[in-house]
Amino acid sequence: NAGVTQTPKFRILKIGQSMTLQCAQDMNHNYMYWYRQDPGMGLKLIYYSVGAGITDKGEVPNGYNVSRSTTEYFPLRLELAAPSQTSVYFCASSYPLGAGELFFGEGSRLTVL
Amino acid sequence: AQRVTQPEKLLSVFKGAPVELKCNYSYSGSPELFWYVQYSRQRLQLLLRHISRESIKGFTADLNKGETSFHLKKPFAQEEDSAMYYCALSGDRDDKIIFGKGTRLHILP
Repeated sequence: NAGVTQTPKFRILKIGQSMTLQCAQDMNHNYMYWYRQDPGMGLKLIYYSVGAGITDKGEVPNGYNVSRSTTEYFPLRLELAAPSQTSVYFCASSYPLGAGELFFGEGSRLTVL
Repeated sequence: AQRVTQPEKLLSVFKGAPVELKCNYSYSGSPELFWYVQYSRQRLQLLLRHISRESIKGFTADLNKGETSFHLKKPFAQEEDSAMYYCALSGDRDDKIIFGKGTRLHILP
């Protein structure tokens, strides 16, 4: 049981490039989340999904896109990377929040130069 | 709008001394409150949630609806408590969980 797996762990992008952060979970959780963690700013919710085919914006969705075609996968797409997107990105999953806790991935450190 | 405030970025406490990490929230309904912890080189993980009313690793937290607070307490700090602590809130009318800015707890020997 791997839990929540994120790839890549590290990536350097040039301004204007695009990339996808991958997230997979093997716990059959319906709920999945993407957060970014910036020093002194805590965790900010980017997007979340309560099931396959359903996604919703969080606190800081601009510059990002998500899709949820299956229960297991929840990729985060960065279009036209900007230095402001330099951050550590965390994917998490859970059962419906009233029933369980968030399980986090190890994080993906992204630098945009 | 829901909001979680952790007023201290850094808290330094001597080993054996009491610890209190402050958390205040803003939410108009009935929230669920959590404390998450991130130890060095480990994943973020749940420490405790208010509905469980448990003591985990000696930590407790009581939800005070009058003061809209959910402070995390431990009577005697241990060196292994050094970590980043996040207070988090989930509202009763939505499916997302939001976090405060976090407090880094540093236990001094």
